[in-house]
Amino acid sequence: QSALTQPPSASGSPGQSVTISCTGTSSDVGGHNYVSWYQQHPGKAPKLMIYDVSKRPSGVPDRFSGSKSANTASLTVSGLQAEDEADYYCSSYAVSSSVIFGGGTKLTVL
Amino acid sequence: QVQLQESGPGLVKSSETLSLTCAVSGYSISSGYYWGWIRQPPGKGLEWIGQIFHSGGPYYNPSLKSRVTISIDTSKNEFSLKVSPVTAADTAIYFCARRGNTFYLDVWGKGTTVTVSS
Repeated sequence: QSALTQPPSASGSPGQSVTISCTGTSSDVGGHNYVSWYQQHPGKAPKLMIYDVSKRPSGVPDRFSGSKSANTASLTVSGLQAEDEADYYCSSYAVSSSVIFGGGTKLTVL
Repeated sequence: QVQLQESGPGLVKSSETLSLTCAVSGYSISSGYYWGWIRQPPGKGLEWIGQIFHSGGPYYNPSLKSRVTISIDTSKNEFSLKVSPVTAADTAIYFCARRGNTFYLDVWGKGTTVTVSS
């Protein structure tokens, strides 16, 4: 089972919006609404930011939003702030392995 | 507040067995949820290892299935991971996490670094 495809990097200036894509197949991203997104700062554990494609856990700012179209899910960070600079990983249910991750995207706030 | 804490040797010799435990506090693992292991090689992305439910069998990533064992001890409120035999490719930060019904991971341990030496 191949990892989900994410761009290796993304960037934006403070206050701007940035969108990170996550492309899979009909066997994972496209087949279910079980996509989640994680934020990971250096040396820290990942933190759940979005689940079930577009739901936000309690405490996650509404600047973070998720969506999905066909086999591609997206995470949008609006009103970029310095503390948003981190690695972001998407994840999906996959029939073959239960959970599958994307390769990760390094978000830089310019 | 639910907390997870990984523990185990930080150094394992090649061809031997890696053994880690995840202690859960603030929640009884018998009450529900799945409990999983994820790893992250140095400078690389996340890899799902497998999961277990308190009343069900474990489920493993097919790419690791032949070498991995996940078990659960409800009396101690903890679950464990064994990987055998290990190679240098198993060097990674190992995280334990709680997995929800729709496959999200909502609570993570801080992670523990395991280095496989030759």
